[in-house]
Amino acid sequence: DADVTQTPRNRITKTGKRIMLECSQTKGHDRMYWYRQDPGLGLRLIYYSFDVKDINKGEISDGYSVSRQAQAKFSLSLESAIPNQTALYFCATSALPGQAGRVTDTQYFGPGTRLTVL
Amino acid sequence: TQLLEQSPQFLSIQEGENLTVYCNSSSVFSSLQWYRQEPGEGPVLLVTVVTGGEVKKLKRLTFQFGDARKDSSLHITAAQPGDTGLYLCAGGGQNSGGSNYKLTFGKGTLLTVNP
Repeated sequence: DADVTQTPRNRITKTGKRIMLECSQTKGHDRMYWYRQDPGLGLRLIYYSFDVKDINKGEISDGYSVSRQAQAKFSLSLESAIPNQTALYFCATSALPGQAGRVTDTQYFGPGTRLTVL
Repeated sequence: TQLLEQSPQFLSIQEGENLTVYCNSSSVFSSLQWYRQEPGEGPVLLVTVVTGGEVKKLKRLTFQFGDARKDSSLHITAAQPGDTGLYLCAGGGQNSGGSNYKLTFGKGTLLTVNP
């Protein structure tokens, strides 16, 4: 079984609808992330959570909200979807860095959710 | 805001050719990672470099971190169709306390290796 799973894998919805994308992980990692990927724009961070009680906005959080229900679950919501939120969405996880000053942070990505807003 | 510029954006070559892709920034990063993403999948880590001037080899792939820790390159020798994918570099940054570490991704280089 995959370590990081995302549901649904594909979703088509209409403008104004509320949408929730879900992410679950079995890696036991504390840190979870939501990114969106658009052609020519790369991966952009939406929200991130370093533990269940710590949630932070990324560079493009407007129009999105998140919930960290448990260490293993991190969901992304679009309260009122709009067409320019059409994109590929990725969840990722990572462990706490081992040492300050020389930290590395391998991120493990889910397979992605392709969202289309009409 | 730390930015990473990758070049070229697109690269199409024949099997057996060599290639180099670049990742440049005006910012210093504590670490630099390279990921490869195949269609329909999420990115997968290839390598992490943390020391200025560091060179790492992974079979036919050679990764280098610049002396000033602002840039990196990925060189592939004798490319194969299986190397096809989107190559993303990601720079690791942190605040002075080291507790807010997260990655900044470049936009990627889309490599196509034709048989």
